[in-house]
Amino acid sequence: QKEVEQNSGPLSVPEGAIASLNCTYSDRGSQSFFWYRQYSGKSPELIMFIYSNGDKEDGRFTAQLNKASQYVSLLIRDSQPSDSATYLCAVLTGGGNKLTFGTGTQLKVEL
Amino acid sequence: DADVTQTPRNRITKTGKRIMLECSQTKGHDRMYWYRQDPGLGLRLIYYSFDVKDINKGEISDGYSVSRQAQAKFSLSLESAIPNQTALYFCATSDFGSSGADPQETQYFGPGTRLLVL
Repeated sequence: QKEVEQNSGPLSVPEGAIASLNCTYSDRGSQSFFWYRQYSGKSPELIMFIYSNGDKEDGRFTAQLNKASQYVSLLIRDSQPSDSATYLCAVLTGGGNKLTFGTGTQLKVEL
Repeated sequence: DADVTQTPRNRITKTGKRIMLECSQTKGHDRMYWYRQDPGLGLRLIYYSFDVKDINKGEISDGYSVSRQAQAKFSLSLESAIPNQTALYFCATSDFGSSGADPQETQYFGPGTRLLVL
């Protein structure tokens, strides 16, 4: 079982819709969770982090964490073509010393 | 100026050649990392360093070596390049446990080096 799993996609949504990206992790001791966005050929950039169970909102982005289910998600409201990118889920594991990345979900927002 | 820089940005080399990729940062972070990214495999950790005197192997360190010359500089070497080391390489930094606004282990990535080994 991979430590951090994501559906590779592509996930296609129409412009203006809500995009829902999901991630599961295997280390129950994980405490910190991150979402990075990566445009093709570019470096990953942090868009959200979450520590506590529940929802965290930042503009059009909402991160959701359920530690009991070992599940973290990212919702993007009012999706725009500029949101088209690969979204990487990352989990702080190994006692807080290692950031493990999922393989990413490719999101395509269609006009 | 960018906080994390990598040189070169693109490199083509031949099998068996020794090459070095360099990373510099102006963020004042103690922790630095080298990753490679391959299609479908995501980011994989090669080596990491928590301070100048600390070097640790990541999940795919075979065929690579690193040097932490200073807090701000972390270089990655391929002693004898092979074609399956063709990939996109990223350097990253973090300031674990800082009292700043960023959470623990937020990593900041350089622009990447695209390496092709023929």
